[in-house]
Amino acid sequence: DSGVTQTPKHLITATGQRVTLRCSPRSGDLSVYWYQQSLDQGLQFLIQYYNGEERAKGNILERFSAQQFPDLHSELNLSSLELGDSALYFCASSPGQRTDTQYFGPGTRLTVL
Amino acid sequence: QQQVKQSPQSLIVQKGGISIINCAYENTAFDYFPWYQQFPGKGPALLIAIRPDVSEKKEGRFTISFNKSAKQFSLHIMDSQPGDSATYFCAASSLTNTGNQFYFGTGTSLTVIP
Repeated sequence: DSGVTQTPKHLITATGQRVTLRCSPRSGDLSVYWYQQSLDQGLQFLIQYYNGEERAKGNILERFSAQQFPDLHSELNLSSLELGDSALYFCASSPGQRTDTQYFGPGTRLTVL
Repeated sequence: QQQVKQSPQSLIVQKGGISIINCAYENTAFDYFPWYQQFPGKGPALLIAIRPDVSEKKEGRFTISFNKSAKQFSLHIMDSQPGDSATYFCAASSLTNTGNQFYFGTGTSLTVIP
C-alpha cells in the first residue's frame, strides 16, 4: 500500500459527460501528479501540482483540468468525454516539487460508453 | 513523439534466468532514470533508479546499466522468479526549476516460467 488513495475505483459514463476523479496524497507529500494509462498510449504524464500550484504540464487535453486544494488532495476533471478517454487514471505523490520518488495510487478505471 | 523508447514489448524467461529490458532516450536534459514495476490492478511502484553520473546501480537482483554516450539504459533482473512476472516501465525525468516532468516507456510484460 503506497499511502495514496484514489476514488472512485471504477467509473462508467457516457460520451459528452463530465467526471471528477479524486486523489489523496501520502501524508506529508506536497506534490501530486496525474497520469493516464491506456493500452495504445502507455503511461502519459498529465500534470503536476505542488502545494496547491500547478508546476509541470504534460499531454493534458484542454477538456481536462486539475486542481490541488489546501488540504493537498487533488481532483482531475474530465469533460466532454470521448470514447478515447477510456483509460486508467493514476495519481502519484511525492514529498517535494522536485523529488525523485513518486508513490502511485491504485488508479481509477474510467470507461466511456 | 515517444521520448523514451522501450523494448521488448514482451519477454518470457525461465525461472532462474536473466531478464533484460532496454530503453533509449534522446533528450540530454534528462537526469533521472527510474524503473517501475506494475502488477495487474495495481499502480506502478518504483523498483530502482539511476542518475547519469553513474554507469551501474545494483539493488538485490535488480541492476540498472546506464550508457550516457549511447543514451541508453537497461534493467537486468538476475535469477528471475515467477513473482517477478509483471509489467516493467522505464522512465526519464528532467528536474526543472519548478517541477518534474516524467516520460515513460511503453512497458514490457515479463513472464517468468516456473
